[in-house]
Amino acid sequence: DAGVIQSPRHEVTEMGQEVTLRCKPISGHDYLFWYRQTMMRGLELLIYFNNNVPIDDSGMPEDRFSAKMPNASFSTLKIQPSEPRDSAVYFCASSLRGKGNIQYFGAGTRLSVL
Amino acid sequence: AQKVTQAQTEISVVEKEDVTLDCVYETRDTTYYLFWYKQPPSGELVFLIRRNSFDEQNEISGRYSWNFQKSTSSFNFTITASQVVDSAVYFCALSSHPMNTGFQKLVFGTGTRLLVSP
Repeated sequence: DAGVIQSPRHEVTEMGQEVTLRCKPISGHDYLFWYRQTMMRGLELLIYFNNNVPIDDSGMPEDRFSAKMPNASFSTLKIQPSEPRDSAVYFCASSLRGKGNIQYFGAGTRLSVL
Repeated sequence: AQKVTQAQTEISVVEKEDVTLDCVYETRDTTYYLFWYKQPPSGELVFLIRRNSFDEQNEISGRYSWNFQKSTSSFNFTITASQVVDSAVYFCALSSHPMNTGFQKLVFGTGTRLLVSP
């Protein structure tokens, strides 16, 4: 079975530009998570969805960040406008209720904002 | 509050040595899950194991073994006869038991970087 698929793998953009990160969860999973990983802060949960509905977005750093899940097989994380401090690796993960809270991660998107 | 401490920032070993990665956790929950994830140089996070707090039996999978001790709030990970391919950052994580709520937030440690040289 395919795992969690993220695109792009690498994104380089200039400050002020809009950035959209994409995620396709494992088919049948009902939870989707967005994380950010930096050297300073480690792995941070930004937001998670259950059955396409955002449940907790308390980790989203600012209003510049937004996430959507229009259907069970697709989610986006958007940063508008981007800033250099947003440079990080962004991970998407999915899990299935009743399967012991195991989250399966995608390969991540390495974002560099110049 | 929940917390996971991985005191070892980086460990260097020579191939075929055994190595143990430490993980100490804090939680007020009586039921919880513990996890280990591996992050190789390619960057993805790979799930290795989940342990339920009900079950203190140690687990072995090939060269990997995990020692769960509630008395010391530890969930240590040992790699026997390490190989270069084991070089990665290893994360320990904790969550409350989902029970009927479906999801509980994962709290990650800061990770231990393991370098295995030939």
